[in-house]
Amino acid sequence: NAGVTQTPKFRVLKTGQSMTLLCAQDMNHEYMYWYRQDPGMGLRLIHYSVGEGTTAKGEVPDGYNVSRLKKQNFLLGLESAAPSQTSVYFCASSYSRAGELFFGEGSRLTVL
Amino acid sequence: DQQVKQNSPSLSVQEGRISILNCDYTNSMFDYFLWYKKYPAEGPTFLISISSIKDKNEDGRFTVFLNKSAKHLSLHIVPSQPGDSAVYFCAPKGGGSEKLVFGKGTKLTVNP
Repeated sequence: NAGVTQTPKFRVLKTGQSMTLLCAQDMNHEYMYWYRQDPGMGLRLIHYSVGEGTTAKGEVPDGYNVSRLKKQNFLLGLESAAPSQTSVYFCASSYSRAGELFFGEGSRLTVL
Repeated sequence: DQQVKQNSPSLSVQEGRISILNCDYTNSMFDYFLWYKKYPAEGPTFLISISSIKDKNEDGRFTVFLNKSAKHLSLHIVPSQPGDSAVYFCAPKGGGSEKLVFGKGTKLTVNP
């Protein structure tokens, strides 16, 4: 039972490069989320999705795009990476609006 | 403007004693409160929750208390164990929102 899987787990980028983080869940959850965690900042919501084909902005959406073409996958894209996007990114999913979130193990991204 | 405040960045207790982690919030629309636990290099995991219709919820060694009038909740761990050493996040939601709002976390260290 994989739960929530994030790939890649580690990545180093140069400023201006692009990349995509993939989140996959096998629990048939409707809701999916992308958070970033920075020292002393807790977890901040970047974008989220309430179902296949839907996306919405969270607290810190600038510089990121997302897509939810399939229910089980939620992609986070960085079109032109900046050093300020150096962070640990967590994907999460939940079965309902009131349900608890299940998190992936995180993806550590460094932008030089 | 922080909606959720965990004012103690860190807490150190002796094994067997009680750990009390506090969380204050400002948004009166919050009606469901969750606590997450996070070990280094892992994703957060759900620990315990409480609905605004209750003032206490207990699960084994973990108890969460909610004081709605003070907009304050606390997580009690008793007895504390070294394996409880982790970062604990308070995360409320409410007002019909799908989004959890995370505090900055409290790092708990339980010394043997």
